[in-house]
Amino acid sequence: DTGVSQNPRHKITKRGQNVTFRCDPISEHNRLYWYRQTLGQGPEFLTYFQNEAQLEKSRLLSDRFSAERPKGSFSTLEIQRTEQGDSAMYLCASSPKVATPQLSTDTQYFGPGTRLTVL
Amino acid sequence: GENVEQHPSTLSVQEGDSAVIKCTYSDSASNYFPWYKQELGKGPQLIIDIRSNVGEKKDQRIAVTLNKTAKHFSLHITETQPEDSAVYFCAANQAAGNKLTFGGGTRVLVKP
Repeated sequence: DTGVSQNPRHKITKRGQNVTFRCDPISEHNRLYWYRQTLGQGPEFLTYFQNEAQLEKSRLLSDRFSAERPKGSFSTLEIQRTEQGDSAMYLCASSPKVATPQLSTDTQYFGPGTRLTVL
Repeated sequence: GENVEQHPSTLSVQEGDSAVIKCTYSDSASNYFPWYKQELGKGPQLIIDIRSNVGEKKDQRIAVTLNKTAKHFSLHITETQPEDSAVYFCAANQAAGNKLTFGGGTRVLVKP
C-alpha cells in the first residue's frame, strides 16, 4: 500500500496523559499536513511542513501540541496533558512535490486518521 | 481567513437520481477546490477537484462546476448508486501553503 499511513488507528487515554501519533506520507511527497476532525464536522487545519520545516501553525494548536518532521519524511504529533476536548480524529495528508498529468501539487491525499478518545 | 459554507447538510435520493451539493467560499484568492468522500471510520478520499481557471470538470458520473465571480462551486453526481452513500466535503485552499478549509459536510443517502 503506497498511501498515507497513520499509527495508531485508535488511542484511548486518560485525561492528563501524553500521546504521540505518527504519520508516514506518500513517498517523495514534500508537504505534510495535520488536520483535526470532530464528530459531524469537516477537518480543520492544524499545521503543515514543507520538507522538515514547519511553516504554519493554526491557532487551534495550543502550547500542549507539538509536531515534528525531523528528516522530512514521517511526522509525529504529540499532545501533552490531554484534555477531554482533545478527543477527535487526527488526520494527516501529503502533497506531491512534482506535478504530473494526473497529479497536481495542490492535491492532498489523506491517511485513515488516528481516533483519540480522552476519558 | 477563508470560510466555506456547504449545503445541504443531509441529502436523501433514490437510486438512479442525481445529487447536487453546493458550496460557497469567501476568499477570492482561493484557486483550488477539491471534493472529498468520507466513509465511516476512514479518512477523506479525493473524488474530484477543480482549479480556478476552469469552469467545469467531469469524471464519469461526477462533475464539478465553479463560478469564481459568485464564489460558489457545486458537485453533481448522476445515476446515483447505493455505494455513493457517504459524507461529502468541499474545500477551498489558501494560496499560502495551500492549506484547505473544509465545508461542514453533506451526508448523502442513496436509497435502493
